Amino acid sequence: EADIYQTPRYLVIGTGKKITLECSQTMGHDKMYWYQQDPGMELHLIHYSYGVNSTEKGDLSSESTVSRIRTEHFPLTLESARPSHTSQYLCASSALGATVVNTEAFFGQGTRLTVV
Amino acid sequence: KQEVTQIPAALSVPEGENLVLNCSFTDSAIYNLQWFRQDPGKGLTSLLLIQSSQREQTSGRLNASLDKSSGRSTLYIAASQPGDSATYLCAVMGAQKLVFGQGTRLTINP
Repeated sequence: EADIYQTPRYLVIGTGKKITLECSQTMGHDKMYWYQQDPGMELHLIHYSYGVNSTEKGDLSSESTVSRIRTEHFPLTLESARPSHTSQYLCASSALGATVVNTEAFFGQGTRLTVV
Repeated sequence: KQEVTQIPAALSVPEGENLVLNCSFTDSAIYNLQWFRQDPGKGLTSLLLIQSSQREQTSGRLNASLDKSSGRSTLYIAASQPGDSATYLCAVMGAQKLVFGQGTRLTINP
């Protein structure tokens, strides 16, 4: 069973509010990812990290920001939420491919964000 | 840049049929390929993982193959059931990131 957790599972928030979506994993994985998915649509990578103090932008431009101060924690922040941010956000982690054989990716349950 | 394509985008078959979902990728320098299942409004459930050195993996009624040199993978589902209805996603793990295909929306009709 995957040990990667996202909180909250559901969030309804007003426009202009600052929000932080939490993602934590207990597997010691160096790589972590954030994906955004609109209902019925494909997943888009918005941020990823190779390890502590490493953050990279993904394939889809996003107004969110991320930080990686600890290996196990990869929070995503929206400084000022807008209705266009309404979506599902999925967090994942994996080991670094250069150091281990098993690079299976594990996903959290997701956070469904609604901005009203 | 790695690109992953899944064909078909949607598939509807009667219960009991065997079926094949296809996934192709453009860069063969991968660590692994994973097949996921996603139910509407839910997260991802990992079905099968094929390491780059492997050619296939099996789990129950599911069998996934990998031909890295041609950039192709297939997911074979035997004796399909209505409970198999979901979106199936393949994803390839490269040196930098995990790249997904667009998914195949599968409907199994009773």
